[in-house]
Amino acid sequence: KAGVTQTPRYLIKTRGQQVTLSCSPISGHRSVSWYQQTPGQGLQFLFEYFSETQRNKGNFPGRFSGRQFSNSRSEMNVSTLELGDSALYLCASTFSGANVLTFGAGSRLTVL
Amino acid sequence: DQQVKQNSASLSVQEGRISILNCDYTNSMFDYFLWYKKYPAEGPTFLISISSIKDKNEDGRFTVFLNKSAKHLSLHIVPSQPGDSAVYFCAASATTGNNRLAFGKGNQVVVIP
Repeated sequence: KAGVTQTPRYLIKTRGQQVTLSCSPISGHRSVSWYQQTPGQGLQFLFEYFSETQRNKGNFPGRFSGRQFSNSRSEMNVSTLELGDSALYLCASTFSGANVLTFGAGSRLTVL
Repeated sequence: DQQVKQNSASLSVQEGRISILNCDYTNSMFDYFLWYKKYPAEGPTFLISISSIKDKNEDGRFTVFLNKSAKHLSLHIVPSQPGDSAVYFCAASATTGNNRLAFGKGNQVVVIP
């Protein structure tokens, strides 16, 4: 059974650019969540999507956005990148109502 | 505001001994708690969980204890093995089915062979 797949694994951007990260959940999982991991803050919840609808959102500025497609695959976008956006972005999927998330390996973003 | 707190200290333990990790939470709405383990360059992996209706849950070498009155939980690993060397995250949720987890900042565990 394939796990949660995130692409790209590593990327480097410069300030002001935008970035799109992709996540393919485990087959059958309809809930996809995104987390940001930084050394100082640990894992911070970004948002959760279920059936193409954003069900929950964390305390991040509007530059951070996401969407989910009908096949449950999800993307997140960060516009006008700042140095502080450098982080590991983790996607997780689960069945709806289940609290145990299965995480992907993450996309490591470096903003120069 | 950090609703789930793990002290930032790393833990070094001899192989075969017990590793104890602690976690405190502030939100009284939390009623489901999880521990994740993370190796470098990998995503967090689920380890064990506990519902607030219990005070202990055991799975092989891993046991989680929950003290609701103190808003405190701990993870015991016994015996510790070199493969347990990783960062351990405590997480909590209010079971509304929204899958929003609040994580602690993690503890580095090093098991010395």
